Amino acid sequence: EVVLTQSPGTLSLSPGERATLSCRASQSVSSIYLAWYQQKPGQAPRLLIYGASRRATGIPDRFSGSGSGTDFTLTISRLEPEDFAVYYCQQYGNSPLYTFGQGTKLEIK
Amino acid sequence: QVQLVESGGGLVKPGGSLRLSCAASGFSFSDYYMSWIRQAPGKGLEWISHISSTGSNVYYADSVTGRFTISRDNAKNSLFLQMNDLRAEDTAVYFCARVGTLFGFDFWGQGTVVTVSS
Repeated sequence: EVVLTQSPGTLSLSPGERATLSCRASQSVSSIYLAWYQQKPGQAPRLLIYGASRRATGIPDRFSGSGSGTDFTLTISRLEPEDFAVYYCQQYGNSPLYTFGQGTKLEIK
Repeated sequence: QVQLVESGGGLVKPGGSLRLSCAASGFSFSDYYMSWIRQAPGKGLEWISHISSTGSNVYYADSVTGRFTISRDNAKNSLFLQMNDLRAEDTAVYFCARVGTLFGFDFWGQGTVVTVSS
């Protein structure tokens, strides 16, 4: 079973700063099947990145994804007030069919 | 525009059953894989089931195998989740989601709340 571990659990930053969120897999996953989501309280998740580095439709270019194998990163270059939320990584392809990380909460410092 | 609207949630006793529905619009439903994903109160996201575009292939998380059944009606643009033998740990918001390019979930419904309690 593939386990995705996100770090840190909580990240405290100020608007304008750069955020770097990590997602580590317990075994190698295909980078083309690695995605990132943003979720705000009371809302459904929103797809940000798919294929490890491809921005979904309408996602600002301050969001970028990178990585391969077991280590993946979501970077937000300059935080806007609306970026403070919980972020999840997700993989497809290994048992179970889909796995989510436990999430990183990005909070305002 | 793409819309997914879940319904059918509610309060049910342990051992009971519920059938969730997800009405899809704004896209060619029969062309897409679909999934159900849940989120327990204050917790993260858990994928629970996936169905192919024709309904011929289905997959489940271990936590629901043998108790939940996913299905779809492409003529009615609808996705379903039959949930039997419900347990307290099934309490969650249940989202339906469209499986997009490279198996990211590109559109989500707003969710329906399932509470299992005596």
